[in-house]
Amino acid sequence: AQSVAQPEDQVNVAEGNPLTVKCTYSVSGNPYLFWYVQYPNRGLQFLLKYITGDNLVKGSYGFEAEFNKSQTSFHLKKPSALVSDSALYFCAVRDPTKRGGSQGNLIFGKGTKLSVKP
Amino acid sequence: NAGVMQNPRHLVRRRGQEARLRCSPMKGHSHVYWYRQLPEEGLKFMVYLQKENIIDESGMPKERFSAEFPKEGPSILRIQQVVRGDSAAYFCASSPGGGMPTGETQYFGPGTRLLVL
Repeated sequence: AQSVAQPEDQVNVAEGNPLTVKCTYSVSGNPYLFWYVQYPNRGLQFLLKYITGDNLVKGSYGFEAEFNKSQTSFHLKKPSALVSDSALYFCAVRDPTKRGGSQGNLIFGKGTKLSVKP
Repeated sequence: NAGVMQNPRHLVRRRGQEARLRCSPMKGHSHVYWYRQLPEEGLKFMVYLQKENIIDESGMPKERFSAEFPKEGPSILRIQQVVRGDSAAYFCASSPGGGMPTGETQYFGPGTRLLVL
């Protein structure tokens, strides 16, 4: 079965330090992977996605993620954290080998709360 | 270009009442998805619709829940005879369509927060 794991409920970093938010996945085929960010009482904002090609994907607000097939991971990274990055981050996956309607839906992790302190 | 619109943003219902949640996709998008987020949890897929068609409703509870996306107007998620366990945030997302949906980005609305008293 398809699944996504975000092993850390919360990540704390100091402003200016690099940050990493971890994500591992389990799908039967080659995955399509997504990162979203959610601010309090708001919807999800798309950050970046991996479909194919270069394993390092660059996205919005200085974020990037690296697809690692051997480790089945898609960790989100940023070289220098900002206080305004504090939010809830979700990793999501689709299995493109699915056929029919289920090829459309996203499977989400439980989310990781990022807290960046000044 | 306006994003995905959802209304109402907050909805309070008493047990046994009906809840109607509306979603207007981004301009030019023909695919709509509904997700539910329970407190302290990630989003769970409910249903995937295209205009006038339900493509995948594998995440919808079998009773009391229904969804539609008519040719004209917004997509509607309808919950009949609400119970306290229906209290959650309901998010709608849309994508352009026109090709394989697997690689498409889904863009999310601000959500409707349903509270059942």
